[in-house]
Amino acid sequence: QSVLTQSPSVSGTPGQRVTISCSGSRSSVGTNNVNWYQQFPGTAPKLLIYGDNQRPSGVPDRFSGSKSGTSASLAITGLQSEDEADYYCAAWDDSLNGAVFGGGTQLTVL
Amino acid sequence: EVQLLESGGGLVQPGGSLRLSCAASGFTFSSYAMSWVRQAPGEGLKWVSAISGSGGTTYYADSVKGRFTISRDNSRNTLSLQMNGLKVEDTAVYYCAKATAVSGRSTRSDYWGQGTLVTVSS
Repeated sequence: QSVLTQSPSVSGTPGQRVTISCSGSRSSVGTNNVNWYQQFPGTAPKLLIYGDNQRPSGVPDRFSGSKSGTSASLAITGLQSEDEADYYCAAWDDSLNGAVFGGGTQLTVL
Repeated sequence: EVQLLESGGGLVQPGGSLRLSCAASGFTFSSYAMSWVRQAPGEGLKWVSAISGSGGTTYYADSVKGRFTISRDNSRNTLSLQMNGLKVEDTAVYYCAKATAVSGRSTRSDYWGQGTLVTVSS
């Protein structure tokens, strides 16, 4: 069981907007930055969003992050077939004195 | 170009030991914390351990504390993970990842290796 909670799956059609949620605690999401990763099957994760809502260079602005209290969200607008992947949130947890990941959300583009 | 190359994975019996290495290049190794993250077959990402840039501070997930030891050799740009008392549930692909700061208290990793598979089975 993951310390950060994500819905296992989400789907959308091309062009649509989807959101992926990540629920944590005061000691994790509520206190520390949330980072999001995108992972395709058989490949290493890629940093998608850092510092709650910042995009690394090269990440399309279709991807955005937000946070409120102990919950964070990743939004993808103008959904494309190439966005079909697994998405993970991550944060440091002060109570555990360690990092925690969400269980991951599988995005399917219909 | 930043490169992280893991090695050392393989098949080991329960209770056995294995040492993973991660050879880093393309950046000033000692300026950045490093971490190990694993992924069991068909499962999600799980953080394992992290180490500060100097190597002076280490962090472990409860599931590996007392069994795994993270270390780094800044003179050789190498990160290591010594795994003892391996359990079947330690079976996973192990990734090394570069942090974006010298402190290990971060989940922001901008570069990842390709991973090395550790299989614990009798």
